[in-house]
Amino acid sequence: DTEVTQTPKHLVMGMTNKKSLKCEQHMGHRAMYWYKQKAKKPPELMFVYSYEKLSINESVPSRFSPECPNSSLLNLHLHALQPEDSALYLCASSETGGANTGELFFGEGSRLTVL
Amino acid sequence: GQSLEQPSEVTAVEGAIVQINCTYQTSGFYGLSWYQQHDGGAPTFLSYNALDGLEETGRFSSFLSRSDSYGYLLLQELQMKDSASYFCAVRDYNQGGKLIFGQGTELSVKP
Repeated sequence: DTEVTQTPKHLVMGMTNKKSLKCEQHMGHRAMYWYKQKAKKPPELMFVYSYEKLSINESVPSRFSPECPNSSLLNLHLHALQPEDSALYLCASSETGGANTGELFFGEGSRLTVL
Repeated sequence: GQSLEQPSEVTAVEGAIVQINCTYQTSGFYGLSWYQQHDGGAPTFLSYNALDGLEETGRFSSFLSRSDSYGYLLLQELQMKDSASYFCAVRDYNQGGKLIFGQGTELSVKP
């Protein structure tokens, strides 16, 4: 199983809603990532979890709250988002974190629209 | 800080060879990766170079020159399905090894 599974694939929410994005991998990878991607732009790193601990937070606003319940699961809790937060949210995993890690395996993403 | 530069668009015909260049500036360079992303799809890993030289994987090859802070992705025998965005990305050990993407090159393959 070389898949990273993300749910939901599409999400529409209002600015006062609370929702969560979920990501799962069963490759035994110990690093998991959240990226945000706008149209025609590269993925932008948001958070990195390494061995279930938050290792990188790219100064992301607190309306985005990551959670890593175990080594296979990664959540992104969303609250009080703004329309400019509409984007494709990509989850990725790699064998380990750090400089010598190998390739990143990306999920298909959750396309979020904030009204 | 870091920066990566790659062309924004490249157009080529089926069966041709195309080279996508990437120059980078980073304080703690560890390696250069290439990812492919089709419209509406996930980025998928193509190649990784940590040392100077050419890495070949089927129709795709990637090259790195650490002294020149330069690399390229070479795509041979182009097919229509190669139309996609291609991102170079560097791993910076001074920033916890995080992967930093270039702006991407949109490749259009014409019949």
